[in-house]
Amino acid sequence: DTEVTQTPKHLVMGMTNKKSLKCEQHMGHRAMYWYKQKAKKPPELMFVYSYEKLSINESVPSRFSPECPNSSLLNLHLHALQPEDSALYLCASSHLSTGGGADTQYFGPGTRLTVL
Amino acid sequence: GQQVMQIPQYQHVQEGEDFTTYCNSSTTLSNIQWYKQRPGGHPVFLIQLVKSGEVKKQKRLTFQFGEAKKNSSLHITATQTTDVGTYFCLAGGYQKVTFGTGTKLQVIP
Repeated sequence: DTEVTQTPKHLVMGMTNKKSLKCEQHMGHRAMYWYKQKAKKPPELMFVYSYEKLSINESVPSRFSPECPNSSLLNLHLHALQPEDSALYLCASSHLSTGGGADTQYFGPGTRLTVL
Repeated sequence: GQQVMQIPQYQHVQEGEDFTTYCNSSTTLSNIQWYKQRPGGHPVFLIQLVKSGEVKKQKRLTFQFGEAKKNSSLHITATQTTDVGTYFCLAGGYQKVTFGTGTKLQVIP
């Protein structure tokens, strides 16, 4: 199975809501990533988990809270978001190589989030 | 932090014409990857280059890694409408990755 799945595909939420995005992979990858992509922009790295531990947080506001319950699952908990947080949220996974350089990213289809 | 610039930002070509996008890094890279994102889709891995001066081909696509390992290019020969999308390079170190700014390709039938 070479697929990364994400749910939901679309999400509309108010600024006072709490919601969660979910991501799952069964490729045995030990690194999982959250990206944010605004229209006409490249994906921006938000968080990286390696071996289920948070290893990179790119100074993301605390209203975004990641969680990695096990090696196959990655969640992004959302609370008190702002309209400017509306974007495509992409999950990805990869092997963890030791040779330096980027590891090949396998992306899910994304969750398109709208904050009203 | 690491900056990865791509040019051009947009390219419109007539079907059958060639297309090239260039990726330039402010630092020397261990490797570079290329991804394609179709409209409404997600990035899909195309290829990885590791060695200085490396050239790889995939059918009509040719990828090059510069001798100094600070730049790379993707060339498409005889574009087709199926080539439409945004092409990104990706660079980085262990886990910490940076996408290039992307080149959006439009192909006019």
